[in-house]
Amino acid sequence: DIVMTQSPDSLAVSLGERATIKCKSSLSVLYDNKNYLAWYQQKPGQPPKLLIYWASTRESGVPDRFSGSGSGTDFTLTISSLQAEDVAVYYCQQCYSAPPTFGQGTRLEIK
Amino acid sequence: QLRLQESGPGLVKPSETLSLTCSVSGGPISSANYCWGWIRQTPGKGLEWIGSSHYSGTTYYYPSLKSRVTISVDTSKSQFSLRLRSVTGADTAVYYCARHVYSGHYLFHFDSWGPGTLVSVSS
Repeated sequence: DIVMTQSPDSLAVSLGERATIKCKSSLSVLYDNKNYLAWYQQKPGQPPKLLIYWASTRESGVPDRFSGSGSGTDFTLTISSLQAEDVAVYYCQQCYSAPPTFGQGTRLEIK
Repeated sequence: QLRLQESGPGLVKPSETLSLTCSVSGGPISSANYCWGWIRQTPGKGLEWIGSSHYSGTTYYYPSLKSRVTISVDTSKSQFSLRLRSVTGADTAVYYCARHVYSGHYLFHFDSWGPGTLVSVSS
């Protein structure tokens, strides 16, 4: 299985500031110019919500302050200006090879 | 808008079978571009994919669970189900059903999720 490792485990950022979450895969998830990597947001008591897929494509309805970048084994989720409603746990997931696997999560809080 | 809703017992005895159903509304379950999957979440192991099934009957399972899992799609009821046999306390988790983007036998990301249901395994 491909192991997904996120950093940090938790992060506190001031409102309006930038938040950056890292995700590293144990194998490259790049194939034919596409990175098979997704990001999810999970708020307390709710299921995960898809934010970004193919590493950088924003899901419909997701605010443009959320962006994804990276390639191969190293990826980043960036929230350009943190809002109070962004407090959540964020997960990356690889879909390059079965079984699909998730990172352990990064908890984002307000400083 | 697509809506998924899990249903089933919240308590299962050890060695018995966990059975959950996911009802799909607001979109077709018989779509070539999606599988229908189950994911569980525990504080210790995080998010764990269990398996996914295409309406055509093609199924994909997590290898370590494959011997105990059956996922099936009932197009007439717009539902899909999970059966997990011989459960232990390690199977206690929040279980989510989700739509799994799919193409050419490749499974991708999960673009719609049910709210989840807690299943406890205890005597």
